Amino acid sequence: SQTIHQWPATLVQPVGSPLSLECTVEGTSNPNLYWYRQAAGRGLQLLFYSVGIGQISSEVPQNLSASRPQDRQFILSSKKLLLSDSGFYLCAWRKQGANTGELFFGEGSRLTVL
Amino acid sequence: GEDVEQSLFLSVREGDSSVINCTYTDSSSTYLYWYKQEPGAGLQLLTYIFSNMDMKQDQRLTVLLNKKDKHLSLRIADTQTGDSAIYFCAEVSGGSYIPTFGRGTSLIVHP
Repeated sequence: SQTIHQWPATLVQPVGSPLSLECTVEGTSNPNLYWYRQAAGRGLQLLFYSVGIGQISSEVPQNLSASRPQDRQFILSSKKLLLSDSGFYLCAWRKQGANTGELFFGEGSRLTVL
Repeated sequence: GEDVEQSLFLSVREGDSSVINCTYTDSSSTYLYWYKQEPGAGLQLLTYIFSNMDMKQDQRLTVLLNKKDKHLSLRIADTQTGDSAIYFCAEVSGGSYIPTFGRGTSLIVHP
């Protein structure tokens, strides 16, 4: 069966510090991968998605970046965090070519920038 | 662009039925989904419906789709306190791999 892991689950960082959130999918190959942010009281904002190794599409211009160094690994990074980067970050995967197209989400990483 | 709208809150009494509504604008939507998010957790797919279907039932869950009005609803029968969560409606159109999500409806179940 397929599983998705995100870490760390909780992170408190000072403004201006770097960020690295990691996401790994197991039990499948060549998945589509996604990073979403959920700010308090708001819906999901798609940040990045990837259809293959090294292929990253950005949906929202900001000081975050994403990388996919391996087929089932997706990393969200920042060189200098802003207060506005606080939120709940969700990684998700989707099976390539799946007819039904549903996403499977990780448990999320809560980031607080102070 | 495509848009998915949901009311933000719904409060029901335990044992009653809950109906969460969603409207969307993309007439080429092929699949529509309902996800559940419990506090502090990720989203879990509850059910989905193909656009050529009117209804889908799965135990206590009933999904109704009115394609003409672009209206989707999720009915939860015999709502329990464990059903308290945020429910997200989402849609995807043919060939796309990026679903559009609504802002989520917070369902509050009180005794």
